[in-house]
Amino acid sequence: DIQMTQSPSSLSASVGDRVTITCQASQGISNYLNWYQQKPGKAPKLLIYDASNLETGVPSRFSGSGSGTDFTFTITSLLPEDIATYYCQQYYNFPRTFGGGTKVEIK
Amino acid sequence: EVQLVESGGGLVQPGGSLRLSCAASEFTFSSFRMSWVRQAPGKGLEWVASIKEDGSERYYVDSVKGRFIISRDNARNSLYLQMNSLRDDDTAVYYCARGSNNWRCWGQGTLVTISS
Repeated sequence: DIQMTQSPSSLSASVGDRVTITCQASQGISNYLNWYQQKPGKAPKLLIYDASNLETGVPSRFSGSGSGTDFTFTITSLLPEDIATYYCQQYYNFPRTFGGGTKVEIK
Repeated sequence: EVQLVESGGGLVQPGGSLRLSCAASEFTFSSFRMSWVRQAPGKGLEWVASIKEDGSERYYVDSVKGRFIISRDNARNSLYLQMNSLRDDDTAVYYCARGSNNWRCWGQGTLVTISS
């Protein structure tokens, strides 16, 4: 199984800050990686697919990059509504696996 | 608007069974792979199972193989998860999601609690 190591597990940042989350795969997964946002009590929401493609309707302050084993998710200017937990997820093969999540809070 | 609505969750004793359903609407259900993803209380997301468009192939996480069965009825636009030999660590919110790669559409989730 492909292990997805996501870091940090939590972070606290100020409104307007740049936030970066990393995700490392235990083996190469090309660009078969997605990023999701989940708010408490809600289903996850797809933000980034194929490592760097912004899902329709998602604000451009969200972005993703990377290929192979190392991936980065960035919020260029944090807003209060971005408070959530973010997950990476690989679909290179089965079983599909998620990173452990990054909880983003406002400082 | 695309909609997925899960049902069938509840409280079950260890070793018991439960069948979850997911009703799909406003898209061509038979054209999409479908999946179940779960989330234990206070924990992260875990993919459980996926099924091809025609039901010919099914995929499972190791922890549920031999206990859970994913199935679908394209005539009824419905996805199912038959869960047998339930264990404490199956306690979770179970989400139905469209696709098996990128999950753009999710249901609201149904809570399954395994407890004596």
